[in-house]
Amino acid sequence: GAGVSQSPRYKVAKRGQDVALRCDPISGHVSLFWYQQALGQGPEFLTYFQNEAQLDKSGLPSDRFFAERPEGSVSTLKIQRTQQEDSAVYLCASSLGTLIIRGGRYEQYFGPGTRLTVT
Amino acid sequence: AQTVTQSQPEMSVQEAETVTLSCTYDTSESDYYLFWYKQPPSRQMILVIRQEAYKQQNATENRFSVNFQKAAKSFSLKISDSQLGDAAMYFCAYRSATRSGGSYIPTFGRGTSLIVHP
Repeated sequence: GAGVSQSPRYKVAKRGQDVALRCDPISGHVSLFWYQQALGQGPEFLTYFQNEAQLDKSGLPSDRFFAERPEGSVSTLKIQRTQQEDSAVYLCASSLGTLIIRGGRYEQYFGPGTRLTVT
Repeated sequence: AQTVTQSQPEMSVQEAETVTLSCTYDTSESDYYLFWYKQPPSRQMILVIRQEAYKQQNATENRFSVNFQKAAKSFSLKISDSQLGDAAMYFCAYRSATRSGGSYIPTFGRGTSLIVHP
């Protein structure tokens, strides 16, 4: 596709439900990031994939959050037993090259985000 | 840890005029990248301009330019000839250029909402 796509765009979940958020990065992009953006805040890093390898998950707020990218393309962010504090926009971004070496192609292309509301 | 501060929650500008958005950051590193991103109400964030810290020349992209003051750790964005389509949230971001730990993780400021009046 022409850009990064995310689905669903909006998700309402009752507290305690599990949700799965999908990200389709630009074809061929090696790097994939997930961010959480609370209302009135900048994006906060959650996790980073290089191809299918999850190299960094230090930003995941709890063990209820799980992300995968099994074939190095589409990624899914899963949140188990959702809580109200999970309400936010979840952004996905991809990049052509790896960002973990100096001079790596660093431009990230963002998706439109998924707005999650937990009631 | 690096921090990025955008002290202006909201800025207003008249169409066709010039506005400057401020950003300061804190780091002990000498090699890094700085970015300005635009996030319109549709929420798709796009890169406006980037600056590599080792380059002394300020980056420019059409109507967008930066004033990079490395010693002061300041990275402001100037938008000239403002247009209605410039209305959006603007985020300043920092990323280390060194190969160590989680240095590739970008740090974003809290954003500045730009309002453009016709």
